Amino acid sequence: KAGVTQTPRYLIKTRGQQVTLSCSPISGHRSVSWYQQTPGQGLQFLFEYFSETQRNKGNFPGRFSGRQFSNSRSEMNVSTLELGDSALYLCASSLGGQGNEQFFGPGTRLTVL
Amino acid sequence: GEDVEQSLFLSVREGDSSVINCTYTDSSSTYLYWYKQEPGAGLQLLTYIFSNMDMKQDQRLTVLLNKKDKHLSLRIADTQTGDSAIYFCAERDRGSTLGRLYFGRGTQLTVWP
Repeated sequence: KAGVTQTPRYLIKTRGQQVTLSCSPISGHRSVSWYQQTPGQGLQFLFEYFSETQRNKGNFPGRFSGRQFSNSRSEMNVSTLELGDSALYLCASSLGGQGNEQFFGPGTRLTVL
Repeated sequence: GEDVEQSLFLSVREGDSSVINCTYTDSSSTYLYWYKQEPGAGLQLLTYIFSNMDMKQDQRLTVLLNKKDKHLSLRIADTQTGDSAIYFCAERDRGSTLGRLYFGRGTQLTVWP
């Protein structure tokens, strides 16, 4: 069974631009969560989707948004990029519901210049 | 479920046991997880324990949970140089019907040959 895939793996943008990151969960998984990882703040929760609905949202500005499609694939978008948005963005998939293991993708490394 | 604490560094000799410690604050946590992250990679789920268990063993890994002290540990037997990585402890609170995890800052394990 293929693991969680994220595209692109690396991205370089400049301040003010916007970016879209993609995550394909493990086949059969319906829940997708996104995390931002930085050296200063560690791993921070962005949002969580289940069956195309955002079920939970972390403490990030409105520039960060996401969505989930009917095939469970998810995208997150960051508009008006700032230097501080440079980070590793990780996607996790699970079946959904209590107690399920969460499997992470390799991440997308975003660099904002 | 927002304060997960870990020591930042641990060094051991190859062949010794490693013990990585974690404390958490949410007494309603249901599942506690250990993830491993190698340089440039995503998070690899190592093991997890349900909050009604005291111990879980999986090959070289032993997880101990002390609910009274809200203390979780990961013991790696016969540590190898390939175990060098960052290890994250994470908790999932009972209030979350889906997958939000709260992570510690990670423990950098260095294994010396």
